[in-house]
Amino acid sequence: KNEVEQSPQNLTAQEGEFITINCSYSVGISALHWLQQHPGGGIVSLFMLSSGKKKHGRLIATINIQEKHSSLHITASHPRDSAVYICAVPETSGSRLTFGEGTQLTVNP
Amino acid sequence: KAGVTQTPRYLIKTRGQQVTLSCSPISGHRSVSWYQQTPGQGLQFLFEYFSETQRNKGNFPGRFSGRQFSNSRSEMNVSTLELGDSALYLCASSSLGGGQDTQYFGPGTRLTVL
Repeated sequence: KNEVEQSPQNLTAQEGEFITINCSYSVGISALHWLQQHPGGGIVSLFMLSSGKKKHGRLIATINIQEKHSSLHITASHPRDSAVYICAVPETSGSRLTFGEGTQLTVNP
Repeated sequence: KAGVTQTPRYLIKTRGQQVTLSCSPISGHRSVSWYQQTPGQGLQFLFEYFSETQRNKGNFPGRFSGRQFSNSRSEMNVSTLELGDSALYLCASSSLGGGQDTQYFGPGTRLTVL
């Protein structure tokens, strides 16, 4: 079973700051997912990546397969970025996802 | 394209009852996965259906079951409800399924068991 650890658990930032959220996993994977969950429960898939780096707007996700580590960066953070960010990795069977505990991000104006 | 829909959005039941939740995936998606989210355990995988077949199952008791219809709509059923079943139940659909493809989540059904 893949163990997924995220850090930090909670993060408070001022608007405009650069944010980094980390995710480590124990077993080699084919892809890693970053998800965003707003209050109220809705989950949005931000990235699925298997190597290198992906960028979407102010969000950047990187993964190092050898180190079994991924980071999610938010540049020029904004209060609307306040949410829980969750990383998830598939089990070796490829079908089921194992989730990290999530990082609660609060961006103050 | 319409997103993933789940019904009902909120549900209150009492212990011992059973409940059926419904999930309609994005048109063309053949995979539907179900997840349970609680404050204590976080997000946990329940099961995945692909083209009407259960492809994988999480570590939940047999009281939790599901099925998928030929139009890819899926239902999950929880029998003999327990207080600990109170949770947000999310479904997600994708083209290829599971961890190998971007998943599109529904808004969830919040179940409260009294």
